[in-house]
Amino acid sequence: GAVVSQHPSWVICKSGTSVKIECRSLDFQATTMFWYRQFPKQSLMLMATSNEGSKATYEQGVEKDKFLINHASLTLSTLTVTSAHPEDSSFYICSARDQESSGNTIYFGEGSWLTVV
Amino acid sequence: KNEVEQSPQNLTAQEGEFITINCSYSVGISALHWLQQHPGGGIVSLFMLSSGKKKHGRLIATINIQEKHSSLHITASHPRDSAVYICAAERNYGGSQGNLIFGKGTKLSVKP
Repeated sequence: GAVVSQHPSWVICKSGTSVKIECRSLDFQATTMFWYRQFPKQSLMLMATSNEGSKATYEQGVEKDKFLINHASLTLSTLTVTSAHPEDSSFYICSARDQESSGNTIYFGEGSWLTVV
Repeated sequence: KNEVEQSPQNLTAQEGEFITINCSYSVGISALHWLQQHPGGGIVSLFMLSSGKKKHGRLIATINIQEKHSSLHITASHPRDSAVYICAAERNYGGSQGNLIFGKGTKLSVKP
């Protein structure tokens, strides 16, 4: 079945560096992907909507210059956390909808655990 | 008040018990999702509902649009059902589908 693959699953980086997380739809094309963040014991929160071929739409309070989103193809969206700080340590997860499927199913990536030291 | 409220927050059950998790929402939605999140963080979509009832194996999901309420039921629960179950309301604005508002989740633990 359709799968959304996210990479890396775990990443540790130093403060001040940047880290890139990839989200790929393996069996379908996704013009729109969504990036979420989850802090410990908190609910998932939408960060931004990634649109293929155009600028991402960011939720209120999410810094677009810090969380760079690129959706260069119909199967790949990337989230780059720039100048990472320890408070950016979180679980990041993407999702995409297979609009061609009968159930119009939303698929989630496996998620990426980011630790900034 | 959160736009999506789930109850209970934590639930412990004995194997074989019938389980119900409730979800209330206050926003207009195009669909209501039930998701399962395992300890490693990965999320699986269980159901997407816009009306009525859906069944998949031992899982049943219902929604009452007028009351803005949905329930997830697990029949004959098993330890492997232990996970966090998340209710998510799908907003539909500007033609952007897939934009979800999540509840805080219900942590289910099924004891053998």
